[in-house]
Amino acid sequence: DTEVTQTPKHLVMGMTNKKSLKCEQHMGHRAMYWYKQKAKKPPELMFVYSYEKLSINESVPSRFSPECPNSSLLNLHLHALQPEDSALYLCASSQAGSSGVAETQYFGPGTRLLVL
Amino acid sequence: AQKITQTQPGMFVQEKEAVTLDCTYDTSDPSYGLFWYKQPSSGEMIFLIYQGSYDQQNATEGRYSLNFQKARKSANLVISASQLGDSAMYFCAMRTYGQNFVFGPGTRLSVLP
Repeated sequence: DTEVTQTPKHLVMGMTNKKSLKCEQHMGHRAMYWYKQKAKKPPELMFVYSYEKLSINESVPSRFSPECPNSSLLNLHLHALQPEDSALYLCASSQAGSSGVAETQYFGPGTRLLVL
Repeated sequence: AQKITQTQPGMFVQEKEAVTLDCTYDTSDPSYGLFWYKQPSSGEMIFLIYQGSYDQQNATEGRYSLNFQKARKSANLVISASQLGDSAMYFCAMRTYGQNFVFGPGTRLSVLP
């Protein structure tokens, strides 16, 4: 089973709203990722959690706040977003978050976010 | 620095025909992994196939095969017997030791009935 689930599928929010994106995996993976993808572009890495600890933050603005409550769950809290933050947000997981070249990332279906 | 190039922004193929999607990469690391992902319009990135730099044989997974030419630094994806459901965006990606994925710009494949 290589399933990563994400909720909600679609989200529309105003610039003053606070919302959260959720991601869940039951593959026993110990690394989880958030990516942002604009239309017709490849995904861009935002955050990496390895063994429930934040290991990489790719200089993401503080209006995006990740949280990893346990090894199966990953949240992305959103606050005071800008219209240019509208994008597809993808969650992924991998076995160990190791440095090895062969570690495959498995992606969820994404949340399409529109900021008005 | 690592870089992935996919020179075909869009490709068309007739149903049941084979198609090759190009990917070239640039790295000075001797150890690396190459991945192909499929992204339908629904958005999910679906892992298709993996090739390690030290693998002696080209990877295959069902209708997908990877034409790995190390000297040319190319890792082309071959899809045999195309199906309408193969219409999607395809991303080539590379990983080197200690680094996260580097994605190419993608190729949009359209399968014609």
